Amino acid sequence: GAGVSQTPSNKVTEKGKYVELRCDPISGHTALYWYRQSLGQGPEFLIYFQGTGAADDSGLPNDRFFAVRPEGSVSTLKIQRTERGDSAVYLCASSPSGQATDTQYFGPGTRLTVL
Amino acid sequence: DAKTTQPPSMDCAEGRAANLPCNHSTISGNEYVYWYRQIHSQGPQYIIHGLKNNETNEMASLIITEDRKSSTLILPHATLRDTAVYYCIVSPRGYGNKLVFGAGTILRVKS
Repeated sequence: GAGVSQTPSNKVTEKGKYVELRCDPISGHTALYWYRQSLGQGPEFLIYFQGTGAADDSGLPNDRFFAVRPEGSVSTLKIQRTERGDSAVYLCASSPSGQATDTQYFGPGTRLTVL
Repeated sequence: DAKTTQPPSMDCAEGRAANLPCNHSTISGNEYVYWYRQIHSQGPQYIIHGLKNNETNEMASLIITEDRKSSTLILPHATLRDTAVYYCIVSPRGYGNKLVFGAGTILRVKS
């Protein structure tokens, strides 16, 4: 079946602009995670959704970052007033139920470049 | 911060076993050990996980020491396609197991 998909694959924007990154999880997966990965580093957790609600948003770096999952499937990560330091690969993952023993299935990521 | 320590890089000859060590000396009783890998320009891929017993699947084996303070991921017959960054992660039981990635080990499989 289809895996996790993310769009766009690449996004170039200018400092100060607003961007939206989309994640389509595996159908039926109730848990959805966002991570971001800077060059040469491991992925860093941003936020976790269980269904429609954000169960853990402790990784969001500041209030310019916001994510939604209104119908419990597709999620959108929104970044306001982008800064050059926001440049990274943004990864989305989903898992069947969010239990510790669930495998997290990752998408290919969106590469965000802020000029 | 990541709760694991891994060597930054390792080389392995094609066809030989790759043994990737991980130190997690502060692991607590309710934490699992997970291994993921990331091939260049792709998202991370799950390999295996365990609590205290050794585990094996079609991809790899996971050997966890009796005191659970370290583990070894074994790829029995490494191929060039196994060249990747390998991440060892500890994460607790329960829901919402956010994965805390360290820098991982870059495994280079050479022909």
